[in-house]
Amino acid sequence: LAKTTQPISMDSYEGQEVNITCSHNNIATNDYITWYQQFPSQGPRFIIQGYKTKVTNEVASLFIPADRKSSTLSLPRVSLSDTAVYYCLVGDMGGSTLGRLYFGRGTQLTVWP
Amino acid sequence: DAGVIQSPRHEVTEMGQEVTLRCKPISGHNSLFWYRQTMMRGLELLIYFNNNVPIDDSGMPEDRFSAKMPNASFSTLKIQPSEPRDSAVYFCASTPTGVGANVLTFGAGSRLTVL
Repeated sequence: LAKTTQPISMDSYEGQEVNITCSHNNIATNDYITWYQQFPSQGPRFIIQGYKTKVTNEVASLFIPADRKSSTLSLPRVSLSDTAVYYCLVGDMGGSTLGRLYFGRGTQLTVWP
Repeated sequence: DAGVIQSPRHEVTEMGQEVTLRCKPISGHNSLFWYRQTMMRGLELLIYFNNNVPIDDSGMPEDRFSAKMPNASFSTLKIQPSEPRDSAVYFCASTPTGVGANVLTFGAGSRLTVL
């Protein structure tokens, strides 16, 4: 089971780019890296997923170095509505192996006006 | 699709009472997870099922907790008897299996308060 380490909290201002880094030193060959976002009183929701290099969607970018022992979630030009807890997960549910996905405490991002 | 549906959204009960939380996964998703979230411990995995079979229940705190999945469209998490320390938000999530399939879709959660 590949556990993750991320900062407990981060602060930013509206319009800035935010980068949240997650360490996962024990990542396995078949593991994917997935980030979730959770607002108060809601369940976590999927943001982005990647295996290596860079992935970008309409919400965020995910940067994964060659050794895959860390990953960085990048949120461009954050707004107040991006205030949430962000979780980094590493796991594999492919083939005959089901991963036991570990959420940890996540990173509380607070965006200020 | 209506997403993962959980009920009840809120439950307030007294210590010693039985609590049953319900979950309907997304149709076609064959893995189902129960999580518990508290301020102290964050989001913890309690148990997960694959094709209705419990695969890992090592996160279930004690014998007072039990979970079942009688069919592909329904699961329950039961606490009997309930205790104040069980107060938390309980989330159900589902996902298809397959390569890269660790994208969980969560329900809105069931907030349990045990007095």
